[in-house]
Amino acid sequence: EIVLTQSPGTLSLSPGERATLSCRANQTISSSSLVWYQQKPGQAPRLLIYGESRRATGVPDRFSGSGSGTDFTLTISRLEPEDFAVYYCQQYGSSRVFTFGPGTKVDIK
Amino acid sequence: QVQLQESGPGLVKPSETLSLTCTVSRGSISSYYWSWIRQPPGKGLEWIGYIYYSGSTNYDPSLKSRVTISMDTSKRQFSLKLRSVTAADTAVYYCASVCSGSYFCYWGQGTLVTVSS
Repeated sequence: EIVLTQSPGTLSLSPGERATLSCRANQTISSSSLVWYQQKPGQAPRLLIYGESRRATGVPDRFSGSGSGTDFTLTISRLEPEDFAVYYCQQYGSSRVFTFGPGTKVDIK
Repeated sequence: QVQLQESGPGLVKPSETLSLTCTVSRGSISSYYWSWIRQPPGKGLEWIGYIYYSGSTNYDPSLKSRVTISMDTSKRQFSLKLRSVTAADTAVYYCASVCSGSYFCYWGQGTLVTVSS
């Protein structure tokens, strides 16, 4: 069973700063199967990054995904006010099961 | 663009069956897998299961014994049944489409289901 761990749990930053969010798997996974979502209060999650670090439609280029093996990173190059939210990583594996990480909250410092 | 809308009771009694329906508008029903995901208040996302238009299903192992997902392609709807609910099943339930078999590309707005007597 693949388990995803996200760190930090909370990231306190100011607008304009760079955010680096980590997602770690307990075993090697395909980079094409690691996905990132953004969720704001009272809203459904929104797809951000999928399939080998591709941005979903409408996602600004300040968002980027990287990583391989067991370690993956979501980077927000310069935080905008609308980026303060919770971010989840997700993986789909050979066992045909979807797994989410526990999330990282990015809040305003 | 696919649009999804959940519907069903917002309150279910303990030990009873939670039943929700997701209506799909726009998009081809045969182009995606269709999934249910839930989120307990203040907590993270939990995948429940998915169904393909052919009827094939797969469920999270921890919920498999209590869950059934079915589909009515003529109505463009798929449904969730979760049996023997407890307070731990209180959550916002989302329906979503699965793109490329591996990620959730379109989401419903979610519906809160509370389990309480």
